[in-house]
Amino acid sequence: GAGVSQSPRYKVTKRGQDVTLRCDPISSHATLYWYQQALGQGPEFLTYFNYEAQPDKSGLPSDRFSAERPEGSISTLTIQRTEQRDSAMYRCASSLRSGGETQYFGPGTRLLVL
Amino acid sequence: QKEVEQDPGPLSVPEGAIVSLNCTYSNSAFQYFMWYRQYSRKGPELLMYTYSSGNKEDGRFTAQVDKSSKYISLFIRDSQPSDSATYLCAMSRANAGKSTFGDGTTLTVKP
Repeated sequence: GAGVSQSPRYKVTKRGQDVTLRCDPISSHATLYWYQQALGQGPEFLTYFNYEAQPDKSGLPSDRFSAERPEGSISTLTIQRTEQRDSAMYRCASSLRSGGETQYFGPGTRLLVL
Repeated sequence: QKEVEQDPGPLSVPEGAIVSLNCTYSNSAFQYFMWYRQYSRKGPELLMYTYSSGNKEDGRFTAQVDKSSKYISLFIRDSQPSDSATYLCAMSRANAGKSTFGDGTTLTVKP
């Protein structure tokens, strides 16, 4: 596609529910990143994929967070048993490949856990 | 202490002023240095990209990297109201997937 797209743009959920966020990267891009951005802060790395491989998931806050990219294109980020502290903007970015390449960010999904 | 430190501001300047934005970092393995601009309610967009030390100029924007001091700067000449945004510095190691971001400096350029 022309740019990185994310859905939904906004998600309100109740504490304890599971949520799944979706990212559709630029079609030619091998690498896809997930970041969490709190208000007034910079994006914090969660995980990234090279095609379907997930070389680094060190930024995932807990085992409630998981991500997948089964066919090397679209990716999902799932948060199980959501907690209020999970409320944040979740941003996806993609790049041609990893290692210093320009990252193009999507518009983000604003998650609010009540 | 965070790996990348950035003064949050806010910074307010008159139109036409020269703006200086800065970040310091602690990880000497960082090789790639980026500046992103983020408008309100939008995702970050890459503004400048520098590999290792040195200067890079693009129009009104100049990025400087001083690896010996672990200090990077972004200069904006002849600032415009449309430059009003949050500016994020970011850095990454060679062959590493992730970028480490500063928390951003909010800039307002007043007409």
